[in-house]
Amino acid sequence: DQQVKQNSPSLSVQEGRISILNCDYTNSMFDYFLWYKKYPAEGPTFLISISSIKDKNEDGRFTVFLNKSAKHLSLHIVPSQPGDSAVYFCAASADSNQFYFGTGTSLTVIP
Amino acid sequence: EAQVTQNPRYLITVTGKKLTVTCSQNMNHEYMSWYRQDPGLGLRQIYYSMNVEVTDKGDVPEGYKVSRKEKRNFPLILESPSPNQTSLYFCASSRRTGVLSNQPQHFGDGTRLSIL
Repeated sequence: DQQVKQNSPSLSVQEGRISILNCDYTNSMFDYFLWYKKYPAEGPTFLISISSIKDKNEDGRFTVFLNKSAKHLSLHIVPSQPGDSAVYFCAASADSNQFYFGTGTSLTVIP
Repeated sequence: EAQVTQNPRYLITVTGKKLTVTCSQNMNHEYMSWYRQDPGLGLRQIYYSMNVEVTDKGDVPEGYKVSRKEKRNFPLILESPSPNQTSLYFCASSRRTGVLSNQPQHFGDGTRLSIL
């Protein structure tokens, strides 16, 4: 049973616009959430994280929002750039040992 | 250069022939983990290790073994591989900053296993 879900397999956005990637989870014990970015033939690379004591974390063009009551997090990329085209995975953990990943969203930024 | 190195990167083998995928990290990380990535299922954790000689099951441990005899190495062992273990495998490592706290994981570039 998938505890972390990314319901949009793909997303296309024009360069310069905002990209919003969504992630839902079912386990209320999750308290640490991360986003990873993955290019073909490479391993995932860490992008940004948030703990459950916060509802927003920002790092440059990337912002993660956490809505604990809705068990939902989102990643905003502003402005989107062609180099952001990749697969994005959200991940969650309750103990920082076991991690649960979503199925990924493939983002295409159109120049 | 800080990295997680997996070998081999690609392997085609047959059912029942024992194989080992090696993973090594040069960052002195305490925590290491193995994942498999399958279409429509994302990444699923197989095993993890909090430190030397400490390993535990992830979400999908059946059919796999691991060992952590040294801090830098965390091999994944398939004693009797079956076709349903055909997948893309990733090793990852991270620094532990507390009892229940890890830094984000660094991933290797993956090992594609095909079991016929």
